Amino acid sequence: QIQLVQSGPELKKPGESLKISCKASGYTFTDYAMQWVKQAPGKGLQYMGWINTQTGKPTYADDFKERFVFSLETSASTAYLQINNLKNEDTATYFCARDEQYWGQGVMVTVSS
Amino acid sequence: DVVMTQTPPSLSVAIGQSVSISCKSSQSLVYSDGKTYLHWLLQSSGRSPKRLIYQVSNLDSGVPDRFSGTGSQKDFTLKISRVEAKDLGVYYCAQTTHFPTFGGGTKLELK
Repeated sequence: QIQLVQSGPELKKPGESLKISCKASGYTFTDYAMQWVKQAPGKGLQYMGWINTQTGKPTYADDFKERFVFSLETSASTAYLQINNLKNEDTATYFCARDEQYWGQGVMVTVSS
Repeated sequence: DVVMTQTPPSLSVAIGQSVSISCKSSQSLVYSDGKTYLHWLLQSSGRSPKRLIYQVSNLDSGVPDRFSGTGSQKDFTLKISRVEAKDLGVYYCAQTTHFPTFGGGTKLELK
């Protein structure tokens, strides 16, 4: 069955960086783009963008064009979200998703001094 | 960006009742291939979102036919008949015709 398994929760200080992973299984990784979605505490879903898993080309929503980097390790069927220079407002749960149909379990990121 | 406006933001319902949720987009969601990429998702408390309906009216596998989606162009509706306790949570519409965006969500609670 198709699964997206994400890495564990993160606690970081402002200014630090982090990298979240999303490992796909049950399908051919390069057949589908991988999407990233942010959900701040108590808030709705916010689409961050996607990465083309064949070419590695990322596409970012306007709010995520600075400090956010999507990348791949195709041999491991894994997508990554890196957030640089973390800010308090990056505190959220981050989901990877395929086709809005398959979702990872989410990674809770807390940024606090 | 395409703005998706969901109403109401919250709904209180008794088990067995029927409810409808509206989702309106700021632009037509008909793609150049003639299809409309408007989807409905449910996020139960503490869980990842789950897609229920894709392309306006197609139920995902395992989704009961108590759920139905209708609409066209810019105006869409999700109807849930005979609400059950497992239907509670936050419903989101999402469009992927243009750069993807989500509606603000509708929280379905027990009355």
